Amino acid sequence: DAGITQSPRHKVTETGTPVTLRCHQTENHRYMYWYRQDPGHGLRLIHYSYGVKDTDKGEVSDGYSVSRSKTEDFLLTLESATSSQTSVYFCAISEMDRVQPQHFGDGTRLSIL
Amino acid sequence: SQKIEQNSEALNIQEGKTATLTCNYTNYSPAYLQWYRQDPGRGPVFLLLIRENEKEKRKERLKVTFDTTLKQSLFHITASQPADSATYLCALENNNAGNMLTFGGGTRLMVKP
Repeated sequence: DAGITQSPRHKVTETGTPVTLRCHQTENHRYMYWYRQDPGHGLRLIHYSYGVKDTDKGEVSDGYSVSRSKTEDFLLTLESATSSQTSVYFCAISEMDRVQPQHFGDGTRLSIL
Repeated sequence: SQKIEQNSEALNIQEGKTATLTCNYTNYSPAYLQWYRQDPGRGPVFLLLIRENEKEKRKERLKVTFDTTLKQSLFHITASQPADSATYLCALENNNAGNMLTFGGGTRLMVKP
């Protein structure tokens, strides 16, 4: 299995609080991604990174920011969490080229009350 | 509008039979398409990638076809086993989103002994 660790695995928080999710990889892959998965919507891309300090928006980026200061770590931040951001969040990685398969972590289940 | 359609209803088949899952897409022109397996509480796992110039690809009991005229991919599991029970996701290159992957909602497969 690809070395991808997501933390925390579960989190419950209140509306309006900041939340940061962490993705850590040991594969030295260039590309890292954050997705959310919701019933009826499937996996949707939030943000992705193609190198240290190089990030771009995905399909559902509003309300989220990301940072990548090291190859191995990709952080997703909800500056002021809302109930609509309750979801399961997955981090994924891929090698140099975007056509490469993606390898996923086991997700973070986030509940915002 | 762009759509990726997978049968949202579960597919129930008997052990030993061939399972066939469908992925139809609209208003995409993907150069490649990928299939993933997802088990409950886990992240998706990459299975197969097929490029637009490949009509068919096989891996052990798995076979994928890609028809760019019909805008459809079929995913077959031959001699299915209860261990094949999972949700299967198709994903394709989205030319309108920086060539990132866009995922379908997945089809749940249940193989009964």
